[in-house]
Amino acid sequence: DTEVTQTPKHLVMGMTNKKSLKCEQHMGHRAMYWYKQKAKKPPELMFVYSYEKLSINESVPSRFSPECPNSSLLNLHLHALQPEDSALYLCASSQDGGSGRGVETQYFGPGTRLLVL
Amino acid sequence: DAKTTQPTSMDCAEGRAANLPCNHSTISGNEYVYWYRQIHSQGPQYIIHGLKNNETNEMASLIITEDRKSSTLILPHATLRDTAVYYCIVRVVHNAGNMLTFGGGTRLMVKP
Repeated sequence: DTEVTQTPKHLVMGMTNKKSLKCEQHMGHRAMYWYKQKAKKPPELMFVYSYEKLSINESVPSRFSPECPNSSLLNLHLHALQPEDSALYLCASSQDGGSGRGVETQYFGPGTRLLVL
Repeated sequence: DAKTTQPTSMDCAEGRAANLPCNHSTISGNEYVYWYRQIHSQGPQYIIHGLKNNETNEMASLIITEDRKSSTLILPHATLRDTAVYYCIVRVVHNAGNMLTFGGGTRLMVKP
């Protein structure tokens, strides 16, 4: 099973709402990632978790709050977002996030398309 | 990680080989070349990667020049389902995290 699942597929929220995006994988991977992709642009890395610890935060605003409750789950909590945060949010996972033992393939989910009104 | 340059778009006839070039003239010795693709409204999909030698798998072939400053992804018999944006990425494996920095990519249109 090489599947990464993301819920919901679509989300519309107001600027005062609090919502969460969820990502799940059952490949035994120990690294998980959040990317943001604006329309007609390439994906941009937001966060990396390695062994359930946050290892990289690409200077993401605090209105985005990641959480990794266990090695299979990754959440992205959203609060007080702006309309410019509307985008496709992609989750990915890989074996162990770069332990120096070799290259890794990242497996991506289908994404959550977020619209902030 | 080294910067990559790819053509913005390319067309290919169905059934023909699609050859997608990538320039990475500043690549260093420990950087790998990765290819991913993104079909419309889906997440990116890994295709292939290589360091120095040419590589082939069930999806594609990767040809890396001897000086490693450029590479070509070859889809041997393109189908309509291969229409996608193809990203060439150069990166180092390191302990801080398995980061992928996507460039602009090439939008490949396979036509009947």
